[in-house]
Amino acid sequence: DVKVTQSSRYLVKRTGEKVFLECVQDMDHENMFWYRQDPGLGLRLIYFSYDVKMKEKGDIPEGYSVSREKKERFSLILESASTNQTSMYLCASSLVLQSGNTIYFGEGSWLTVV
Amino acid sequence: AQSVSQHNHHVILSEAASLELGCNYSYGGTVNLFWYVQYPGQHLQLLLKYFSGDPLVKGIKGFEAEFIKSKFSFNLRKPSVQWSDTAEYFCAVFTNAGKSTFGDGTTLTVKP
Repeated sequence: DVKVTQSSRYLVKRTGEKVFLECVQDMDHENMFWYRQDPGLGLRLIYFSYDVKMKEKGDIPEGYSVSREKKERFSLILESASTNQTSMYLCASSLVLQSGNTIYFGEGSWLTVV
Repeated sequence: AQSVSQHNHHVILSEAASLELGCNYSYGGTVNLFWYVQYPGQHLQLLLKYFSGDPLVKGIKGFEAEFIKSKFSFNLRKPSVQWSDTAEYFCAVFTNAGKSTFGDGTTLTVKP
């Protein structure tokens, strides 16, 4: 079974803090994604990466950055956390999409910024 | 820019009723279409997907969806719902380049 692991399930951070959310996948997937999920808004893509050191902005990249130094790990960074970044963050991974491969999701990280 | 529209935000059905959840997307190129389900307190799970071939796809737990290219639609159906189908359902579009868009989600409540 594919496993996408988000190391922190629940975090509480203060406004202005730098926050790291880590995601690891164990299936040698090329693609990795970071989303945030908010009630009534579905999932919104923050960033995705299709290879090591490669990244593309999604729909809401402002206030976030990412790092992919190794194929299995994709980190989401909040440089200076703000209360409007309180949300559920979901990591996902997949093989190349042209072949209709499935996107697998982690269990999510609940971030509260106070 | 691509977009995904799920027509129903909240659907309430009795057990054994038939279900159809609408999903329309806008994107001019090749798409991969997905339906995901999120049961209360659980992570997103794949119900079914379409990327080519037969436009009628069957997924887990008796769900199916039909891709109608001319209507840019990918509606989810189930002939007879169960209480255990209570969950939130998301339609998603992925391009081959990896850009993805999810719908806002439809909450399904099935009354026993």
